[in-house]
Amino acid sequence: GAVVSQHPSRVICKSGTSVKIECRSLDFQATTMFWYRQFPKKSLMLMATSNEGSKATYEQGVEKDKFLINHASLTLSTLTVTSAHPEDSSFYICSAREDRGLEKLFFGSGTQLSVL
Amino acid sequence: GENVEQHPSTLSVQEGDSAVIKCTYSDSASNYFPWYKQELGKGPQLIIDIRSNVGEKKDQRIAVTLNKTAKHFSLHITETQPEDSAVYFCALPRSQAGTALIFGKGTTLSVSS
Repeated sequence: GAVVSQHPSRVICKSGTSVKIECRSLDFQATTMFWYRQFPKKSLMLMATSNEGSKATYEQGVEKDKFLINHASLTLSTLTVTSAHPEDSSFYICSAREDRGLEKLFFGSGTQLSVL
Repeated sequence: GENVEQHPSTLSVQEGDSAVIKCTYSDSASNYFPWYKQELGKGPQLIIDIRSNVGEKKDQRIAVTLNKTAKHFSLHITETQPEDSAVYFCALPRSQAGTALIFGKGTTLSVSS
């Protein structure tokens, strides 16, 4: 299947700092990527839809100024957690599907964010 | 929007036994039904999917069955092995094709040897 690469896999930061997470589609183009958040022993919750060349679409309750999404190319989307606080600690996962219309959604390996 | 209910939340089996996880949904327009496996600390991995024009799909020890009339689809794992231990999620497209997936609450499968 298609490969989605996500970095870093783990990050620890101090309160008030910003953290950037990268998501790359390695062997396909992805006009649309999705960012999910997952708390321990819980399901994946959609945070936002990242659209190449335009603004991201955020789910209800997700602060767009807190979670900045940039989709600058057909293979790269970034999520920046700004002014991180302990409650932002979570597992963040990106996903993408091939532009050629297939339905399969592939996921990155996730980023465990711990805010001290 | 679409809703998906997944059961059971936990499932413990002996190695070699079969495991079945079921998901029910509400939107009769749903036409794509994937299953994901998530190991600890990793992203979900697509293990099998089915479209609404077929009732069953099999890939070695894994199969998915779909009952569109009753609006449920199930994951079947035969001859379970310890490495099958993981969290399994069913998912559905939220609305039309090309949109995000919404996920069931997950089933923690434990296979003991």
